[in-house]
Amino acid sequence: QVQLVESGGGVVQPGGSLRLSCAASGFTFSSYGMHWVRQAPGKGLEWVAFIRYDGSNKYYADSVKGRFTISRDNSKNTLYLQMNSLRAEDTAVYYCAKGPTAATTPFDYWGQGTLVTVSS
Amino acid sequence: QSVLTQPPSVSEAPRQRVTISCSGSSSNIGNNAVNWYQQLPGKAPKLLIYYDDLLPSGVSDRFSGSKSGTSASLAISGLQSEDEADYYCAAWDDRLNGVVFGGGTKLTVL
Repeated sequence: QVQLVESGGGVVQPGGSLRLSCAASGFTFSSYGMHWVRQAPGKGLEWVAFIRYDGSNKYYADSVKGRFTISRDNSKNTLYLQMNSLRAEDTAVYYCAKGPTAATTPFDYWGQGTLVTVSS
Repeated sequence: QSVLTQPPSVSEAPRQRVTISCSGSSSNIGNNAVNWYQQLPGKAPKLLIYYDDLLPSGVSDRFSGSKSGTSASLAISGLQSEDEADYYCAAWDDRLNGVVFGGGTKLTVL
């Protein structure tokens, strides 16, 4: 069965950096686009970034463009999100989500999420 | 302010039917598929409806989706207490080059 397991969350000071990982199993990781979606405490869902199955195209929300970088290692079945210049408003649960093969949506499987807290 | 507009909350009695609306524009709903997600309290979201009106395997047929122009709707019939959750619509936006979500609708089963 499809499993997505995020890790790497924690507490970081404003201006700091953090790298999230998402370990995928139960499907051919290298054939599917992948996303990061976040949810601030008590708020709704916000899409963060998308990477195509082969890493050839990447898209970002305006709120993170220039600060966050999505990447993947298909040999390790792992998705990453490098987060730099973190701000208080980046505090959220970060989910990785599996996309379809050729298109960008829907997100048909989600991980359980990892909490990132940006605070001094 | 979300790009897609949903009512913040809806409520209805058990065994009744409720609809949740999702309004967008030509750059998102008007030109791309709408997907709906259910988020139970304390849980990760789950795909509920994809490509406007298709049900993933394992999702009850009490859920249905529709789309017309730049608006979409999620309908839930035969309401049960276990349907209490937050529901989100989402679509790709051609102008923003990204996925946009609605603000979410909290369903209360009275």
